[in-house]
Amino acid sequence: GDSVTQTEGQVALSEEDFLTIHCNYSASGYPALFWYVQYPGEGPQFLFRASRDKEKGSSRGFEATYDKGTTSFHLRKASVQESDSAVYYCALGEPSSGQKLVFGQGTILKVYL
Amino acid sequence: GGIITQTPKFLIGQEGQKLTLKCQQNFNHDTMYWYRQDSGKGLRLIYYSITENDLQKGDLSEGYDASREKKSSFSLTVTSAQKNEMAVFLCASSIDSFNQAPLFGEGTRLSVL
Repeated sequence: GDSVTQTEGQVALSEEDFLTIHCNYSASGYPALFWYVQYPGEGPQFLFRASRDKEKGSSRGFEATYDKGTTSFHLRKASVQESDSAVYYCALGEPSSGQKLVFGQGTILKVYL
Repeated sequence: GGIITQTPKFLIGQEGQKLTLKCQQNFNHDTMYWYRQDSGKGLRLIYYSITENDLQKGDLSEGYDASREKKSSFSLTVTSAQKNEMAVFLCASSIDSFNQAPLFGEGTRLSVL
């Protein structure tokens, strides 16, 4: 079945550091890929999506590029802030599997002053 | 603007009890989802529905029932609560899983005594 793997369970950075959270996927077809962010006590919020090879999604300074060759959609931000501390989820939607939306395990980001 | 409302926000149950969680959306979305969130395990799909009266099992459907009697509502029943169980149940809705990112409610937090 379809799956998403986030390599990092937790990332700790200082303000203005560069962020990378790795996301790799496995899907039978050509999925759409999503990034979500979740703050404590809230539901996940949609950040951005991409649905074609080499397409870049971006929002709030975060970005990721759909790479079909390496089956990846890594999240990056050039300079993180303390307010970026949250849990980040990568997800895929594959219509041929019947509208399922499959999530990775999530990555906890903590940014220190 | 639209909203996804989950009720109740907090639910405390007894071991063996049948518990029902409700979700309402006013986006007129076709597809609705129920996810379970446990610490360190990401979001796991319990049930989803692509239209009124449709039900599709996710990876974690055992121990749960679901009902989609109206397009705008999707309820989830824990058929027999497990002692010391603690989890957050998240409802989401979307046009579909490819063309639009599903939007989430704020969750129902379950504790079983």
